[in-house]
Amino acid sequence: AQTVTQSQPEMSVQEAETVTLSCTYDTSENNYYLFWYKQPPSRQMILVIRQEAYKQQNATENRFSVNFQKAAKSFSLKISDSQLGDTAMYFCAFMKDFGNEKLTFGTGTRLTIIP
Amino acid sequence: EAQVTQNPRYLITVTGKKLTVTCSQNMNHEYMSWYRQDPGLGLRQIYYSMNVEVTDKGDVPEGYKVSRKEKRNFPLILESPSPNQTSLYFCASSPQGTVYEQYFGPGTRLTVT
Repeated sequence: AQTVTQSQPEMSVQEAETVTLSCTYDTSENNYYLFWYKQPPSRQMILVIRQEAYKQQNATENRFSVNFQKAAKSFSLKISDSQLGDTAMYFCAFMKDFGNEKLTFGTGTRLTIIP
Repeated sequence: EAQVTQNPRYLITVTGKKLTVTCSQNMNHEYMSWYRQDPGLGLRQIYYSMNVEVTDKGDVPEGYKVSRKEKRNFPLILESPSPNQTSLYFCASSPQGTVYEQYFGPGTRLTVT
């Protein structure tokens, strides 16, 4: 079974600074997908970024980028130029390649952007 | 607008009183799933459905039932709710066989007293 670990329950950073959220996972699969989801106070689950394990290039989406280290089974999220709207709970998630498209989630990191 | 809807959004009930949380999607997705979110545990899958009349257990199915009679609907049924089912519930859907974004509903906050 897959496991996802987020070792930082809470983080805070000043507005406009850069912050990195950590995620490690354990799997015996070779092909899989990794995600970061954002959950603001509205509780809505919002996809931030996705990474395919077979791609060596790290995914980027505007101010959000990942550092994907397949051998180390590490998948960290970097938020540049942080904004107040980035305040949320962030979940790292794993999905096997097809079949049951189940997302296995980490326990989350609560990020607070300080004005 | 493409969306997943859940009803009700909030529910307070008593132990043993059967309830149903509805989930509906308008994107013609084959795959639908239910998760529960608890503090310190993240989201865990309860049940999933690959298509109409095809359902299977996720990681925490005890105390829950589901049905998939129509492609768009995937209700979650609690036959005899207990306080340990107090949680935040999410329904999600996606196209089958591809790794697209899973679309999540807005969540249902359930309290069982």
